[in-house]
Amino acid sequence: DSGVTQTPKHLITATGQRVTLRCSPRSGDLSVYWYQQSLDQGLQFLIQYYNGEERAKGNILERFSAQQFPDLHSELNLSSLELGDSALYFCASSFQGAENSPLHFGNGTRLTVT
Amino acid sequence: EDKVVQSPLSLVVHEGDTVTLNCSYEVTNFRSLLWYKQEKKAPTFLFMLTSSGIEKKSGRLSSILDKKELFSILNITATQTGDSAVYLCAPCTFSGGGADGLTFGKGTHLIIQP
Repeated sequence: DSGVTQTPKHLITATGQRVTLRCSPRSGDLSVYWYQQSLDQGLQFLIQYYNGEERAKGNILERFSAQQFPDLHSELNLSSLELGDSALYFCASSFQGAENSPLHFGNGTRLTVT
Repeated sequence: EDKVVQSPLSLVVHEGDTVTLNCSYEVTNFRSLLWYKQEKKAPTFLFMLTSSGIEKKSGRLSSILDKKELFSILNITATQTGDSAVYLCAPCTFSGGGADGLTFGKGTHLIIQP
């Protein structure tokens, strides 16, 4: 168990809908990262937060947004969902940042858009 | 654009064999290279390599980094069926202002047959 908690585990929704994925980092970790994993693309970096502030953006669509709250948990919001958004979404955390300490991953949220 | 290439993409061996997994990378602002093992769910951390030529070992697994030639290898000796997984290589890059992240390769799918 990595100590990173993601909810829900599975989510099935229709195109056009909006969902929120939640992540609680390991105790003491300040950095949170979101990744998307689909069969053909592998793990793609979406966004990084450090102690409540956005630090880096990767291949995140404009329909997607995220935030990190004062208690350090993070939420990833996906809106106007399309079939192609179906994927496994991982949250990872590290103490300060990937440069100094390894990322530890949650078990992911599997999103299916029908 | 950052690039990470892992080879082979897939490997099937018998229990007891030794395997070598390869990772080559071309990224900007390189800081370290990490290896992860992914079975059904979350990638789990194996190694973090920051210096060239220094082998890191953990049981039957070992890894080494060559920062001049921009590659890393992961060795597994006396393989067991529990080693079956996807092995992911991820260089860590740092772009200033606390922004960092991992760029993942597509992985090597290792299957150990009894």
